[in-house]
Amino acid sequence: NAGVTQTPKFQVLKTGQSMTLQCAQDMNHEYMSWYRQDPGMGLRLIHYSVGAGITDQGEVPNGYNVSRSTTEDFPLRLLSAAPSQTSVYFCASTPAGGRAVNGYTFGSGTRLTVV
Amino acid sequence: AQSVAQPEDQVNVAEGNPLTVKCTYSVSGNPYLFWYVQYPNRGLQFLLKYITGDNLVKGSYGFEAEFNKSQTSFHLKKPSALVSDSALYFCAVRGPVRSGSARQLTFGSGTQLTVLP
Repeated sequence: NAGVTQTPKFQVLKTGQSMTLQCAQDMNHEYMSWYRQDPGMGLRLIHYSVGAGITDQGEVPNGYNVSRSTTEDFPLRLLSAAPSQTSVYFCASTPAGGRAVNGYTFGSGTRLTVV
Repeated sequence: AQSVAQPEDQVNVAEGNPLTVKCTYSVSGNPYLFWYVQYPNRGLQFLLKYITGDNLVKGSYGFEAEFNKSQTSFHLKKPSALVSDSALYFCAVRGPVRSGSARQLTFGSGTQLTVLP
């Protein structure tokens, strides 16, 4: 099925560990984003990309890295996990220009706990 | 910078009654406005959008939203609520499509809607 696929769905990390959250879309969307969702704070933008090879910081980028080597994939890396990074992470994509009919398509999320 | 406010953390309504979930926004230029719904342990699902045109926008599952430029509001409405409408609702805004940063969505904090049987 076409859409945004996130892996893993659940993850528990120890403080200081690193990991990569995977995100892939098969809709040939140019724009991709990572958000984190915390209770009472809505979704906050971590990083985004407007195309392969181009990334930029969002509202809360500290502690996270991204890369965009292909149109399809947009992995999010936690360099040294901290308890403050316990959250639910969503990847989203949207096409550029007039094809952005329905806004963003979201993945099902990764629930990350840092102990 | 663009921003969205959802003033109510929780809205309770009886089944069959009309519902309103409030949203106000701040953005430079003409806004692109969205409503999303999130069911427990799921991602966000698109409900409706306002880009331009009629101020009353109709979307999925019988929901509609009214754009009011003078009040900078985009309230979500439904004439007759269902128990199955119980979920977390997010309003989001995107600025004019001229730059990469403006294309990104800014979300409100969310409103938990509970429809009581």
